[in-house]
Amino acid sequence: KAGVTQTPRYLIKTRGQQVTLSCSPISGHRSVSWYQQTPGQGLQFLFEYFSETQRNKGNFPGRFSGRQFSNSRSEMNVSTLELGDSALYLCASSPRGQRWDTQYFGPGTRLTVL
Amino acid sequence: GQNIDQPTEMTATEGAIVQINCTYQTSGFNGLFWYQQHAGEAPTFLSYNVLDGLEEKGRFSSFLSRSKGYSYLLLKELQMKDSASYLCAVLDSNYQLIWGAGTKLIIKP
Repeated sequence: KAGVTQTPRYLIKTRGQQVTLSCSPISGHRSVSWYQQTPGQGLQFLFEYFSETQRNKGNFPGRFSGRQFSNSRSEMNVSTLELGDSALYLCASSPRGQRWDTQYFGPGTRLTVL
Repeated sequence: GQNIDQPTEMTATEGAIVQINCTYQTSGFNGLFWYQQHAGEAPTFLSYNVLDGLEEKGRFSSFLSRSKGYSYLLLKELQMKDSASYLCAVLDSNYQLIWGAGTKLIIKP
């Protein structure tokens, strides 16, 4: 089975722009979660989608949004980019959508905001 | 607030044993995960503990004490490929994963 894929792998944007990141989960996985990873802060939970519905949301401003499509693929969008948004954005999928499921991570999208 | 503490960095020798500790204060508890993350790569699952005690899986073992808010990951017979960051994460009462900042483990020959 193919793993979780994320596109693009690297992205450079300037302050004020907006960006859309994409995640394709492992085939058959219905839950997709997004995380922001920065050095020293670890992974910060952004949101989780299950069957096209946002099931959980972390403490991020409304500039961060996401959605999930019927084929379980997910996108996250960040509007009005700030320098502090520079980070590795990781997507993870899990098979049954149970909260204690193992998460399978993609390679991440490294976003640099200049 | 919710808090997970791990040492920032540890160094150990090839062939030895190392214990990586994790203490947590979270709103509720529905299990604790350990993930391994090699530099530049995605985290990969190591273990999940929801009941007190020790779970052994090959060279890796994970221990949990819910009353103490404490877990450790024990790595035996260390190999150079074990050099990585080890992430502790707790599933809180809202079933949200709260992550520690990770422990960077350096293995020396």
